[in-house]
Amino acid sequence: NAGVTQTPKFQVLKTGQSMTLQCAQDMNHNSMYWYRQDPGMGLRLIYYSASEGTTDKGEVPNGYNVSRLNKREFSLRLESAAPSQTSVYFCASSPRDGTYEQYFGPGTRLTVT
Amino acid sequence: AQSVAQPEDQVNVAEGNPLTVKCTYSVSGNPYLFWYVQYPNRGLQFLLKYITGDNLVKGSYGFEAEFNKSQTSFHLKKPSALVSDSALYFCAVKRGYSTLTFGKGTMLLVSP
Repeated sequence: NAGVTQTPKFQVLKTGQSMTLQCAQDMNHNSMYWYRQDPGMGLRLIYYSASEGTTDKGEVPNGYNVSRLNKREFSLRLESAAPSQTSVYFCASSPRDGTYEQYFGPGTRLTVT
Repeated sequence: AQSVAQPEDQVNVAEGNPLTVKCTYSVSGNPYLFWYVQYPNRGLQFLLKYITGDNLVKGSYGFEAEFNKSQTSFHLKKPSALVSDSALYFCAVKRGYSTLTFGKGTMLLVSP
């Protein structure tokens, strides 16, 4: 099992450009999450999908959109990138919400100039 | 609202010595508590969790954590540190079906 995979690993965007970060899991998990990690701020939840067909905002959703394409895939879209979105983005999944731990992908390092 | 505090940005310990990484939390009701570790340029890896039951929880790589309800703490411990334990450690809390809230992280540096 590959676990949680993310593409791309690195990306540089200019202000105003758009892009989609891809995430897939092969563990048959119901719940998927998108976080951003910034120095000294821990991980902050952007959006999550508790189950296929549902998505909800997290702590910092502004400037982002998500799509739960199917049970395996959960994408994050930046419609008009801003320098404040420079960060490392992690996708995670868990069997379902509640007491289960989350499994994380390797991350995407995004720089917006 | 729920929150996690990791009061130390960095913990330094010599190899072979015991280590403690501190975590306190604030949540209404019964908490679910987690510890994750992040090695450089990697995603987070689950170490251990407390859901209910025994206050002392054992996890991966010889780590353990003690849930203390009166002090609202969930400190991570290991009896004998290894250089390979050097990494960034995150404590996280949730309640029921709420989302997970992470602390800011503590860098653990184990010197040979």
